Amino acid sequence: SFVLTQPPSLSVAPGQTARIACGGNDLGSRSVHWYQQKPGQAPVVVVYDDSDRPSGIPDRFSGSKSGNTATLIINRAEAGDEADYHCQVWDNSRAHPVFGGGTQLTVL
Amino acid sequence: QIQLVQSRREVKKPGASVKVSCKTSGYKFTSYGVSWVRQAPGQGLEWMGWISTSKGDRNYAQKFQGRVTMATDTSTNTVFMELRSLTFDDTAVYYCARDARTPKISVISDYWGQGTLVTISS
Repeated sequence: SFVLTQPPSLSVAPGQTARIACGGNDLGSRSVHWYQQKPGQAPVVVVYDDSDRPSGIPDRFSGSKSGNTATLIINRAEAGDEADYHCQVWDNSRAHPVFGGGTQLTVL
Repeated sequence: QIQLVQSRREVKKPGASVKVSCKTSGYKFTSYGVSWVRQAPGQGLEWMGWISTSKGDRNYAQKFQGRVTMATDTSTNTVFMELRSLTFDDTAVYYCARDARTPKISVISDYWGQGTLVTISS
C-alpha cells in the first residue's frame, strides 16, 4: 500500500522559515494536501492540491513539490503555529486517503 | 456555517461495541460523502472508512472490515459509525469529516467534527 513519510518532529526559531517534508513513491503524479492539528483540536486544511490555500489561511503557509517530495513551508513562524502537521494524498486505486505519520512543529 | 457535531465521549469494556454519531448542518447533506478517521493517543491519523450520503455506498479500510458499520439518517442529516469487538487498541479519538473534491480531482476532508474520545477500559 502507498506510504507517506514525514519527520516526526521539527524545531524552528520564531520568525524563521519551517519546511516540513513529506515523501512517497510516485508523489509527483498525486495532489498533496496538508492539515494543521493543534492539541485537542481537529485537523484543519492549510494547503490543498500541492500549493493552494483555503480562504482564511495566512499566506505565510505555502506548499511546493519536487519529484517524490512535497514540502509545507511556513514563513515567519509564530508560537501559534506550533502543531502537528499531516500530509495526505488520495489513493485512486483503493478510493481512500493516505496520511503521513505527522510532524510535530515546535517554535522556540 | 458548516458544522459537524459529534456525540459525547464513551467508555466501553473490551468486547463491547460503540456507536458514534455525527450531525451535520450548513450544507446539502447528500452532496458530500463522510469519512471516519481515528487517532490513537500520540499517534497519527488513521482512515477507517467512507460512506456516501446520497447512495449509501460504503468503503471500509481493510483493517476494519467485518467490525465496522457506517450508516446515514437523511431525515436528521446524521452519519453514524459503529465499531464492534472493541479492544484496548481501539482507544482513540474518532473524527467524522466531510469529503470534498479538489480542482485537481483529488479528495480532501475539508470540515471535521470535534472528535469523540472512546476509551476502552476493563
